[in-house]
Amino acid sequence: KNQVEQSPQSLIILEGKNCTLQCNYTVSPFSNLRWYKQDTGRGPVSLTIMTFSENTKSNGRYTATLDADTKQSSLHITASQLSDSASYICVVSANSNDYKLSFGAGTTVTVRA
Amino acid sequence: EAGVAQSPRYKIIEKRQSVAFWCNPISGHATLYWYQQILGQGPKLLIQFQNNGVVDDSQLPKDRFSAERLKGVDSTLKIQPAKLEDSAVYLCASSPMGRLARRSTDTQYFGPGTRLTVL
Repeated sequence: KNQVEQSPQSLIILEGKNCTLQCNYTVSPFSNLRWYKQDTGRGPVSLTIMTFSENTKSNGRYTATLDADTKQSSLHITASQLSDSASYICVVSANSNDYKLSFGAGTTVTVRA
Repeated sequence: EAGVAQSPRYKIIEKRQSVAFWCNPISGHATLYWYQQILGQGPKLLIQFQNNGVVDDSQLPKDRFSAERLKGVDSTLKIQPAKLEDSAVYLCASSPMGRLARRSTDTQYFGPGTRLTVL
């Protein structure tokens, strides 16, 4: 069964600090991995997408890494801001005819001043 | 470019009542998705439309849930009758994915969701 596990479930950091979120998956065959940011009361917004051959992708202060051999990904937030408070969801797409998506449960990040 | 629109934003009903949600995708997007997101969990796909045809409804509880996408544009999701466990946020998403699109990296654009509370 294709699964996506995220850790930690939640974390609290001080403004200006860095943090790293983890995503482990068992989706096979693998097509791509996305990180989404979901603000409270809003729909998810795509931050990064990585295919099999990519091992890092940046979007401003967000940097995602991918190790397709160990089936792990991380999302690093640098110099956190209050607006980074959100849920971050890891989504993995299978390399099948329908490219079905498997969603993680998300990591809730709270940035405090 | 206007995003995915959903209404209502919030709905509170009693169990056994009926409810309907509406979604207007981004103009020109061929594919439309309905997801159910229970508090503390990631979204779960309920149904996927390609234009006005159903691609995947394997996780849609068909005894109580129904969805349609008339003319391949707007879509409605209905629950009849609702149960307590249906309390969740219902997200609509659309993507350009069509016959000529690169399906492997097709991006889904999500609406703000409808928060349903069943009492």
